[in-house]
This record gives sequence, structure tokens and C-alpha cells, in this order.
Amino acid sequence: DQQVKQNSPSLSVQEGRISILNCDYTNSMFDYFLWYKKYPAEGPTFLISISSIKDKNEDGRFTVFLNKSAKHLSLHIVPSQPGDSAVYFCASPSSVSGGGADGLTFGKGTHLIIQP
Amino acid sequence: ETGVTQSPTHLIKTRGQQVTLRCSSQSGHNTVSWYQQALGQGPQFIFQYYREEENGRGNFPPRFSGLQFPNYSSELNVNALELDDSALYLCASSLGGGALNTEAFFGQGTRLTVV
Repeated sequence: DQQVKQNSPSLSVQEGRISILNCDYTNSMFDYFLWYKKYPAEGPTFLISISSIKDKNEDGRFTVFLNKSAKHLSLHIVPSQPGDSAVYFCASPSSVSGGGADGLTFGKGTHLIIQP
Repeated sequence: ETGVTQSPTHLIKTRGQQVTLRCSSQSGHNTVSWYQQALGQGPQFIFQYYREEENGRGNFPPRFSGLQFPNYSSELNVNALELDDSALYLCASSLGGGALNTEAFFGQGTRLTVV
């Protein structure tokens, strides 16, 4: 099974600077990772994903990097904006055999605070 | 195109009671997954329904059960409520059963408090 770890409960970044959110995983057999963003009183919203055939995926201000040898991925937000203040979750399919039917395993999340 | 809606938004129950939470999936989606998010934790997968059948389950006891209806809406039932069941319950709809939840859309959640 997969474990996904986000070791920083919170991160404070000045508006306009780069935000870097980190995520580690345990099982290198998994080849797909997702980032979700969650505002208070709302459900998580899909942000960006990456497959292990790539080491980088970019979508506008958001870029996800995957380091397979270190079992580590990171989400970069450049430039950071006040509306980016939210909780960010890293996620991966829960099992290889079950595929998506076993749901996603989420990290505990990182609360990103963008300061003006 | 309607989004995922959950009801109620907030609920208070007494330990030992039973609760039913409801979810209307996004138009065109045939798969519903339920997650429990405890305070300070990430969402934890409860189970998934695809075409009215449970086709995947996380590490939750049998007192957590569900249903999916022909219109693909879904219910989560929890019997014999315990204090630790207090959490945000999230429903996510997607298309494709066992496919990856790439395009899973979450509802706003139901905040359940057990006293």
C-alpha cells in the first residue's frame, strides 16, 4: 500500500514569491500523483497531476516536480497570490491492484498562507 | 452541468445513533466515492460505488455502509455512532469505476459532530 507524507503543516510565503510544497511517498510502484487544493467550507479541488513517465508537469503558475529516486514530489506556485491561501493535499492511488477503485491516499495537507 | 452537492451541511448526533448522509453526483458521473476527513488529517477513503455496486473499500468497519441509486446519487450510512466518527464527510463523483480519480469532483462535505 501507499503512504503519502506531507511533513510541513503550514507554510507562510510573501505575495509574489515562490511557494514550494513538499510531499514524500513510500511505494515506488505507484506511478501517478495528484495535488488538491481546499478552501475552508469547500471540498478539495483537483489542481494538477503527474505521471512517473514525466519528472515535471506545468499548468500556468503551478508546476509539479517528481523525483522518483528520492520518492519525493513538490508543487511550485509562482508567483504566489493571496487567493492561493488554502490547504494543499498530495494524493496517490491507494493500491496498484485496485487501481482507482481503492480510492486515493491523501497526505495530511499543508496550510499555505500568502502574506501581502 | 451541476456540481456535487451534499446534504446536510452540518449535523449533530448522539453516540449510538445512526446517521444518513446524502450526495448528488455531478451530471454524467456514474461513480461516487466517500471520504472521512478528521480534524488535522487528510481525507481517508471509505468506499466507492460504481453503477450501484460497491467496488472498493477502505479500512472502515461494516457499520459504515452505503447505497448508490439508479440516478447515481449516493448515501453513506453510519450505525452505532462513536465519538471518533466526528469528522467532515466528503463525497466525490467521477466517471469510470476503477479508473484513476483524475477528474473526481468533491462536494463541500457534511460536518458530523457526535456528542
